[in-house]
Amino acid sequence: AQSVTQLDSHVSVSEGTPVLLRCNYSSSYSPSLFWYVQHPNKGLQLLLKYTSAATLVKGINGFEAEFKKSETSFHLTKPSAHMSDAAEYFCVVTPAGGTSYGKLTFGQGTILTVHP
Amino acid sequence: DTEVTQTPKHLVMGMTNKKSLKCEQHMGHRAMYWYKQKAKKPPELMFVYSYEKLSINESVPSRFSPECPNSSLLNLHLHALQPEDSALYLCASSPPFAVEETQYFGPGTRLLVL
Repeated sequence: AQSVTQLDSHVSVSEGTPVLLRCNYSSSYSPSLFWYVQHPNKGLQLLLKYTSAATLVKGINGFEAEFKKSETSFHLTKPSAHMSDAAEYFCVVTPAGGTSYGKLTFGQGTILTVHP
Repeated sequence: DTEVTQTPKHLVMGMTNKKSLKCEQHMGHRAMYWYKQKAKKPPELMFVYSYEKLSINESVPSRFSPECPNSSLLNLHLHALQPEDSALYLCASSPPFAVEETQYFGPGTRLLVL
C-alpha cells in the first residue's frame, strides 16, 4: 500500500521569496515520485519526476525537489516565487512496477498563493 | 510533443441526455486513462486502457461507458448522469511498462449536469 501526505493545504509567499511545498510518502515498493501543477480551470502539468536516479531532481520553471529516503520526503522548492506560480500543486507516488501499474496515488494538494 | 487534447472544453447536459467526451494523443502512448476531479480535490481514477483493452475499472457506475477505438483515441460516453457527476474530467496517457509511468494530462472537460 502507498500513501502521500502533503503537509500544508495552503502556502502563501511574497513574490521573489523562496517556495517550499512539503510532501511525505509511504510505499511498499521503490517508488516513482512526481510533482504536478494545476492552474485554475486547467489540466495537470508535470513539473518534475524522481525515478531512482539522482536524488535532486530539477524540473520546469525553476522548481526542484529532493528525494530523501530516510525521511520518506519529496519536498518541492523554488528559490524565488513568481506571480505565475500561483496554482495548486500535487505530490504523486506510484510503485515502480508491481500490480498497481497505472494507479497514481495523489496527495490532497497544496494551494500556493503568491502576493505582490 | 507531450500533448493530450480533449474535447469539448465545456459541456452542459440534462439528466436524460447522451453525450460523449473525446481524448486524443499522438505520442505513441499505449496506456490511456480517465479521471474525475471535483473542486478542491485531487483527481480520482475511473478507467485505464492498456493496448486498447480495458485493464482497470474503479467501480464506476454504468452511466459512464469508456471506449478506446484505437491507440490514439479514448472516448467517455455519458448517459443518464446525475448532478453529482458534475466535475472536471481529465484524460491522461503514458508509455506502457515504462518504469516511471509518467502520465501526461489533457486540459480536461468541465461537465455540468442539470
